[in-house]
Amino acid sequence: EDQVTQSPEALRLQEGESSSLNCSYTVSGLRGLFWYRQDPGKGPEFLFTLYSAGEEKEKERLKATLTKKESFLHITAPKPEDSATYLCAVPAGMNTGFQKLVFGTGTRLLVSP
Amino acid sequence: GAGVSQSPSNKVTEKGKDVELRCDPISGHTALYWYRQSLGQGLEFLIYFQGNSAPDKSGLPSDRFSAERTGGSVSTLTIQRTQQEDSAVYLCASSPMGSSYEQYFGPGTRLTVT
Repeated sequence: EDQVTQSPEALRLQEGESSSLNCSYTVSGLRGLFWYRQDPGKGPEFLFTLYSAGEEKEKERLKATLTKKESFLHITAPKPEDSATYLCAVPAGMNTGFQKLVFGTGTRLLVSP
Repeated sequence: GAGVSQSPSNKVTEKGKDVELRCDPISGHTALYWYRQSLGQGLEFLIYFQGNSAPDKSGLPSDRFSAERTGGSVSTLTIQRTQQEDSAVYLCASSPMGSSYEQYFGPGTRLTVT
């Protein structure tokens, strides 16, 4: 069964203190891994898609990387506005296409000034 | 442009009542998804519509749940005889043809069953 596990559940950083969030996955044939950001009371906002081991994507202070077993979301010199829950997801199953995404439970990030 | 909209934003209902949740996708998006997000749980896929094809209902948790999409646009998720375990945030997302992984989410409907 396809599974996504994120760690830590919560992370508290000081402004400027870099760190990484982890997403480990078990899936029968990876066809992509997706990162989303979710602010309280809002729907998830798409950030990145990674397709193959070794791939990296960057957006402002965020960089996502992918290995054969896990993905990392690196946050460099975070600011308070980076505070949110970060979700990781993979497409479910071999023959279901992209439409079914299996999500992890997320990492709640709080960046203090 | 306008994003995905959902209504109502909050719904409180008594156990046993039926509820309808509405989703207006981004104009021109052919794919529409419903997910459920319970406290401490990840987003749970419920149902998927793509154009005029038959919907993928494999994620619906019971036959009390149903959804329809009229005219390839607006969708309604109906929960009959609500139970307390149905309390959750129901999220709708849409995506354009050819990039279904980039799902654009609405703000959700928070359903509370008392």
